[in-house]
Amino acid sequence: GDSVTQMEGPVTLSEEAFLTINCTYTATGYPSLFWYVQYPGEGLQLLLKATKADDKGSNKGFEATYRKETTSFHLEKGSVQVSDSAVYFCALSRAGNNRKLIWGLGTSLAVNP
Amino acid sequence: DAGVIQSPRHEVTEMGQEVTLRCKPISGHNSLFWYRQTMMRGLELLIYFNNNVPIDDSGMPEDRFSAKMPNASFSTLKIQPSEPRDSAVYFCASSFGGRDYNEQFFGPGTRLTVL
Repeated sequence: GDSVTQMEGPVTLSEEAFLTINCTYTATGYPSLFWYVQYPGEGLQLLLKATKADDKGSNKGFEATYRKETTSFHLEKGSVQVSDSAVYFCALSRAGNNRKLIWGLGTSLAVNP
Repeated sequence: DAGVIQSPRHEVTEMGQEVTLRCKPISGHNSLFWYRQTMMRGLELLIYFNNNVPIDDSGMPEDRFSAKMPNASFSTLKIQPSEPRDSAVYFCASSFGGRDYNEQFFGPGTRLTVL
């Protein structure tokens, strides 16, 4: 069945470091791909999305490119801030079932000043 | 817009007691989701509704769990009887599901502790 695999955390970085969080997926058809972020004590919120191959989603300095050939959607940011400390979730929506999301386990990021 | 509203924010109860979690989705949204989040299992979809009708409840752990959506502005998740392994954060999310995918908006969650 469809699945999402994220790199395990926690990830600890210094402020202004480069961030990559890996995400790969298994799915039939052409899913849409998402990154959600969960700040401490809050619910999840959409960070960015890409709905077809080679699309790049971007928001708040974060980027991810939908790579169908490698079935990946890695999250990157060039210079992280302390305020980026959160848990990041990769997810996909199945083609033809656009309401249900398949979630990765989440990757915790801690950014130190 | 107030966003998705959940109550209570925290619930502590004893094993065997009934627990009811409540959710008010964003006005105009027609899909509602209940999730459970734990360190061990991550984020799990329990059930989702579309236009107040349960579409997929395959994630509901067992008969002790039940969910209802009597109208477009209210949903409940009930656990009866509760067990310590039910301790988790329960999230409600809503979306407006058109032809294409639409963003899910999450509530702040209810932290449930079953002693």
